[in-house]
Amino acid sequence: DAKTTQPTSMDCAEGRAANLPCNHSTISGNEYVYWYRQIHSQGPQYIIHGLKNNETNEMASLIITEDRKSSTLILPHATLRDTAVYYCIVRKYNFGNEKLTFGTGTRLTIIP
Amino acid sequence: DGGITQSPKYLFRKEGQNVTLSCEQNLNHDAMYWYRQDPGQGLRLIYYSQIVNDFQKGDIAEGYSVSREKKESFPLTVTSAQKNPTAFYLCASSTPAGTGRSEQYFGPGTRLTVT
Repeated sequence: DAKTTQPTSMDCAEGRAANLPCNHSTISGNEYVYWYRQIHSQGPQYIIHGLKNNETNEMASLIITEDRKSSTLILPHATLRDTAVYYCIVRKYNFGNEKLTFGTGTRLTIIP
Repeated sequence: DGGITQSPKYLFRKEGQNVTLSCEQNLNHDAMYWYRQDPGQGLRLIYYSQIVNDFQKGDIAEGYSVSREKKESFPLTVTSAQKNPTAFYLCASSTPAGTGRSEQYFGPGTRLTVT
């Protein structure tokens, strides 16, 4: 699976949009981009995933560049409960290979 | 409520003792996973199982063992051979790839301390 690079930490003011970047320059054509987050001392929570097109769900939006070498997770109106570590993961989508490789992620702190 | 349960939340053991961590899911997922997380680090895969009675080693399987006798259950045994067992252990499950959604759902974790 392709490696990802994320900033170690970010701050965002409450109520503003939080934009979390991820670089995955070695991504291959059959690899998806997944985002998870982990609130302190809890299990990670799935947020969103995508292949080529931008995706949106009730939690966030995922913007993937046209060359697919980077992506941005957008939390449109950040709240204090969004303070967490956010993991960007790239993996193949094929049966029998469900492994997720977690890096150290981005520690997002929402400032009141 | 559907979900994944792990028990206990905190576990303390003496060095040299084997300990088994419980993971149960009622999501009807075929695949289950065990991860380990050390302070300030990401998750590392210990073992995973795609179907009942079958499991595969992950990246750090040494010193651990698992069984998958039932679809709902995937217990992890931390043996005395594991040199640094103190960590936060997370269990997850997912539907197989190809079903449209294969994101992993995680349990609340068990924090194991060995002294």
